[in-house]
Amino acid sequence: NAGVTQTPKFRILKIGQSMTLQCAQDMNHNYMYWYRQDPGMGLKLIYYSVGAGITDKGEVPNGYNVSRSTTEDFPLRLELAAPSQTSVYFCASYSGDTYNEQFFGPGTRLTVL
Amino acid sequence: AQKVTQAQTEISVVEKEDVTLDCVYETRDTTYYLFWYKQPPSGELVFLIRRNSFDEQNEISGRYSWNFQKSTSSFNFTITASQVVDSAVYFCALSGGMDSSYKLIFGSGTRLLVRP
Repeated sequence: NAGVTQTPKFRILKIGQSMTLQCAQDMNHNYMYWYRQDPGMGLKLIYYSVGAGITDKGEVPNGYNVSRSTTEDFPLRLELAAPSQTSVYFCASYSGDTYNEQFFGPGTRLTVL
Repeated sequence: AQKVTQAQTEISVVEKEDVTLDCVYETRDTTYYLFWYKQPPSGELVFLIRRNSFDEQNEISGRYSWNFQKSTSSFNFTITASQVVDSAVYFCALSGGMDSSYKLIFGSGTRLLVRP
């Protein structure tokens, strides 16, 4: 199993550009999450999904969109990049079994200039 | 509302010292889960432990131990005989049992520097 994979690892965007951060998991997990980690801070939830076709906002959803057309993939879309979106983005997945942990991807470091 | 507080922003110790990282949480749920994650300089998140609210037994895993006290809403993490490789940011996190999304609420992290 590859676990949770994220692409790209690094990206620099200009203000106003758009991009999609890719996230995929091969563990057949129903639950998937996008978190962002600002410098020196903890992770904050952007969006989450409890299954294919179901998404919901987290704590900091403004400026982002998500979709979940398959169990495996959970892309995060930035439509109009702003400097405030400079952050490290982590995708995570979870089986729903309360005896397990959330599995995190390696992260995408995004800089908006 | 749920909240996790890690009041220690940064801790610096000399190798072989013991160090305790504090975590205080707030939740109204009677069932909840607490976690510790390690984030080494390479940036990935490494799962260390998960504890549910019904299990107040302390846990030891090698040089790591965890002290869960519901009476003080704390879930502290102790590293015994610290090593340079323990240098990392450590996050405490909470997941509410009544929240069917199982999302994690993270503290702001404690940066641990272990000096040789």
